[in-house]
Amino acid sequence: QVQLVESGGGVVQPGRSLRLSCAASGFSFSTYGMHWVRQAPGKGLEWVAIISFDGSYKYYGDSVKGRFTISRDNSKNTLYLQMNSLRAEDSAVYFCAKEASSTWYYFNYWGQGTLVTVSS
Amino acid sequence: EIVMTQSPVTLSVSPGERVTLSCRASQSVSSNLAWYQQKPGQAPRLLISGASTRATGIPARFSGSGSGTEFTLTISSLQSEDFAVYYCQQYNNWPPCSFGQGTKLEIK
Repeated sequence: QVQLVESGGGVVQPGRSLRLSCAASGFSFSTYGMHWVRQAPGKGLEWVAIISFDGSYKYYGDSVKGRFTISRDNSKNTLYLQMNSLRAEDSAVYFCAKEASSTWYYFNYWGQGTLVTVSS
Repeated sequence: EIVMTQSPVTLSVSPGERVTLSCRASQSVSSNLAWYQQKPGQAPRLLISGASTRATGIPARFSGSGSGTEFTLTISSLQSEDFAVYYCQQYNNWPPCSFGQGTKLEIK
């Protein structure tokens, strides 16, 4: 069965960095694009970033562009999100999500999320 | 960026009732619309894609309809496990993909 397990969240001061990981299993990781979606406490879902199956294509939401970097290691079946220059408004649960197909970017599997709190 | 607007924000209903949730796109997204269910402390779960196709394992009481800019999610007879927040997401024009703000189903 498909499993996505995020890790790396925690409490970090504004301006500092954090790297999230998402370990994937139960499917052919190297053939699917992957995404990060976040959810601030008590708020809705916000798409953060996409990386194509081979890492050749990356795109970011406006709120994180220039500060966050998505990457993947297909040999380790792992997705990453490097978050730099963190702000209070980046505080959220971060979910990794598997796209359902290479054509249509909706998400058929999600991880359980990892909480990032940016606070001094 | 396409803006997705869901209504109502909160809906109080009784178990067994039929309920319809609405999602409107600021411009046409064809039928490229998904619905998700999220319970407290859990990840979202895909219910519907292509505006009307149920995901694997989703009960038949969930149905989706619409195209263009107007979409609905109908739950034919609410079960206790259906009380949750529901989100729509367009994936026609992107990046970025965009979610609605959610509709919370509460027990009346």
